[in-house]
Amino acid sequence: AQSVAQPEDQVNVAEGNPLTVKCTYSVSGNPYLFWYVQYPNRGLQFLLKYITGDNLVKGSYGFEAEFNKSQTSFHLKKPSALVSDSALYFCAVRDSSASKIIFGSGTRLSIRP
Amino acid sequence: DGGITQSPKYLFRKEGQNVTLSCEQNLNHDAMYWYRQDPGQGLRLIYYSQIVNDFQKGDIAEGYSVSREKKESFPLTVTSAQKNPTAFYLCASTLTGELFFGEGSRLTVL
Repeated sequence: AQSVAQPEDQVNVAEGNPLTVKCTYSVSGNPYLFWYVQYPNRGLQFLLKYITGDNLVKGSYGFEAEFNKSQTSFHLKKPSALVSDSALYFCAVRDSSASKIIFGSGTRLSIRP
Repeated sequence: DGGITQSPKYLFRKEGQNVTLSCEQNLNHDAMYWYRQDPGQGLRLIYYSQIVNDFQKGDIAEGYSVSREKKESFPLTVTSAQKNPTAFYLCASTLTGELFFGEGSRLTVL
């Protein structure tokens, strides 16, 4: 069975500092991994994905994520946080042999000026 | 512009009534999904469909029904059997893996 865990409900970072939002997953086959961002009362916006290839994936708004197969993790990172990065972030996973896509519980990122 | 349109944005329903949420896409995507979002619980998968006239139950399908008669449309019916239907409902579609989401429909049961 597929599962996704985001162990932190909230992450607080000062503007200009690096940020990390954690995600671990479990699938029976090869994982397709995704990060999305959600602003209040809106749908989710796609940030980046890992399907295959380089373990470091670069996405929108300066975000990147590192796929670690041995640790079954796909943490979202950004070298220098902006106040405008404050939002709700979701990790999602899909087994490569199936169409079901499931999401983590979300992490609220708060960037203080 | 291409995208996904959900309607209505806000909906109020009395207990015991069925209600249908609309989801239309003009992206020519094959697969479509319905999720429910509750505070602190993230998104939970209700139903998904890979092709016309075919759909699969997600993790919380009880009390919901869907149809996929056309590629661009994937309506969700919240039935009176759904015990706690008040939530934010999100529809999405995909062609190559990443999901494109609509703006959501907020259902409140009075």
